Amino acid sequence: DGGITQSPKYLFRKEGQNVTLSCEQNLNHDAMYWYRQDPGQGLRLIYYSQIVNDFQKGDIAEGYSVSREKKESFPLTVTSAQKNPTAFYLCASSNRDRGNQPQHFGDGTRLSIL
Amino acid sequence: ILNVEQSPQSLHVQEGDSTNFTCSFPSSNFYALHWYRWETAKSPEALFVMTLNGDEKKKGRISATLNTKEGYSYLYIKGSQPEDSATYLCAFNRKTSYDKVIFGPGTSLSVIP
Repeated sequence: DGGITQSPKYLFRKEGQNVTLSCEQNLNHDAMYWYRQDPGQGLRLIYYSQIVNDFQKGDIAEGYSVSREKKESFPLTVTSAQKNPTAFYLCASSNRDRGNQPQHFGDGTRLSIL
Repeated sequence: ILNVEQSPQSLHVQEGDSTNFTCSFPSSNFYALHWYRWETAKSPEALFVMTLNGDEKKKGRISATLNTKEGYSYLYIKGSQPEDSATYLCAFNRKTSYDKVIFGPGTSLSVIP
């Protein structure tokens, strides 16, 4: 079955450490997205990519980095510059058709600080 | 950052009751409005994408309407069932940045058997 796979499901980060969250899709979607959810808040956009080798900052990109070397993969690195990384992270993908296509989501990664 | 607002924040209804929620968004530069259902321990699932003023969409007992001129959308659930318990998210795209989807905080629905 086609879908989006995020790994790991739970991740712990030490102070000063960079960690990378994986997101892989086999839906043949062009567009991929990373969101962050904090308790009581909606999903906030971190980064998005409409095509391989291109990506744009979302509303809360500081302290994060991404790459899009393959259509199927859009990993997110949480750097040591992100001072409050504890959150739930969701990856999504969609057909690139001017924004009126639904997004398909992974199951998420919960990141905590040790 | 644009605000997408949803009300109520949470809702408890008895099985069999019908219910509705509201999503409010900026009416200028409207492009598309999305509704998603997010059940606990699952990933969000798309319900509807609406683009035209006056659009109405239906999926089983769930339906949605859209008013782009005044900037709101309603989601209706007829005869709520326990399996409808979830958080319902709405999201909005603008014409000037149609590839960015802005999400509201969600409405949490609990259906009591």
